[in-house]
Amino acid sequence: GNSVTQMEGPVTLSEEAFLTINCTYTATGYPSLFWYVQYPGEGLQLLLKATKADDKGSNKGFEATYRKETTSFHLEKGSVQVSDSAVYFCALSPGTGNQFYFGTGTSLTVIP
Amino acid sequence: GAGVSQTPSNKVTEKGKYVELRCDPISGHTALYWYRQSLGQGPEFLIYFQGTGAADDSGLPNDRFFAVRPEGSVSTLKIQRTERGDSAVYLCASSWLAGDAGELFFGEGSRLTVL
Repeated sequence: GNSVTQMEGPVTLSEEAFLTINCTYTATGYPSLFWYVQYPGEGLQLLLKATKADDKGSNKGFEATYRKETTSFHLEKGSVQVSDSAVYFCALSPGTGNQFYFGTGTSLTVIP
Repeated sequence: GAGVSQTPSNKVTEKGKYVELRCDPISGHTALYWYRQSLGQGPEFLIYFQGTGAADDSGLPNDRFFAVRPEGSVSTLKIQRTERGDSAVYLCASSWLAGDAGELFFGEGSRLTVL
């Protein structure tokens, strides 16, 4: 089956700290992988995605590399800001005509 | 507006009542999804429309839940005989691409509270 396992939170970091949020997946076939972010009071929005193995998605200083050998898609940022405080969701799409599967979310709080 | 619009943003109802939640997707998006998000959890798939038809309704928890999209645009999620366990945020998302790894655009959700 298809599923996503995400690092549990909450995570609290000081500004400019390094961030890693772990995500591993189980999937049939060759899924596409995503990170969505939900800022306080807002809807989920796409942060980055990767559609095949070894692809790296990047946006707003965040990066994640699709690792087929370890079935992982860990989210990283070198220097977090207070404005990065949000809930982050890892997700996968198995492909054509399919739903998206989401992890449980990781809450990040960045303190000045 | 340009985004996915969901109404109402908040709905409080009593156990046993009937509820309708509306989603107005981004114009031109052919795919429309309903998800349910309980506190501390990720979005849980309910149903997916491709045009007017439900392409996958495997996530609907039971026959109290039903969704329609009669003209291939606006969708309504209908919940009959609501139960306290139905309390959650109901999310709607739409996408350009029907089944490819298209980006999902989410609304802000409808928070349902069943007393």
